[in-house]
Amino acid sequence: AQKITQTQPGMFVQEKEAVTLDCTYDTSDPSYGLFWYKQPSSGEMIFLIYQGSYDQQNATEGRYSLNFQKARKSANLVISASQLGDSAMYFCAMSPFRDFGNEKLTFGTGTRLTIIP
Amino acid sequence: NAGVTQTPKFQVLKTGQSMTLQCAQDMNHEYMSWYRQDPGMGLRLIHYSVGAGITDQGEVPNGYNVSRSTTEDFPLRLLSAAPSQTSVYFCASSHGLAGVGEQYFGPGTRLTVT
Repeated sequence: AQKITQTQPGMFVQEKEAVTLDCTYDTSDPSYGLFWYKQPSSGEMIFLIYQGSYDQQNATEGRYSLNFQKARKSANLVISASQLGDSAMYFCAMSPFRDFGNEKLTFGTGTRLTIIP
Repeated sequence: NAGVTQTPKFQVLKTGQSMTLQCAQDMNHEYMSWYRQDPGMGLRLIHYSVGAGITDQGEVPNGYNVSRSTTEDFPLRLLSAAPSQTSVYFCASSHGLAGVGEQYFGPGTRLTVT
């Protein structure tokens, strides 16, 4: 069984500051993928970033980076230079990395991020 | 590409009624999944499919049926709706290639059971 823990129900951050959203995970699978999704108030799920457990380097996508610490089982999302449009719910998720890919996501409960002008 | 489409966007059912939530994708993805999102609980996997003719249960399958007769479509059937099934339902698909990541989500169906 897999478990994702997001301990920050809500965060308020000043515009243009960097923000770190915490995510820890637990799994018995030897290989897995870690994901972050953004859910704005409109409700859609927007993929942000992916990290494979075998990746040696931390994933980056524009202003998003994933601080992956395998020994600590953490996969924190870092958003640099936050913008008002970053206000949303953020979900951390993981999936076992079987032969064929990532079809079974386990999600955390999310962190609601509010950017203050 | 339309991506992942879901119909309807909103639905109200009475307890005991049945209905089918439709999901279609035009990206030729092998993998499709259904999730439900309840307040404060994140998304939970209901059923998933690794290809046409192959389905399996996720974390919360009770009260739901699925089938996958084509690569494109993955409908979710509620056999006898209950108030506990009030939720937002998301369909997702991915190409299933190891190491590439990302599931594409549909816009969701908001279901209320009274």
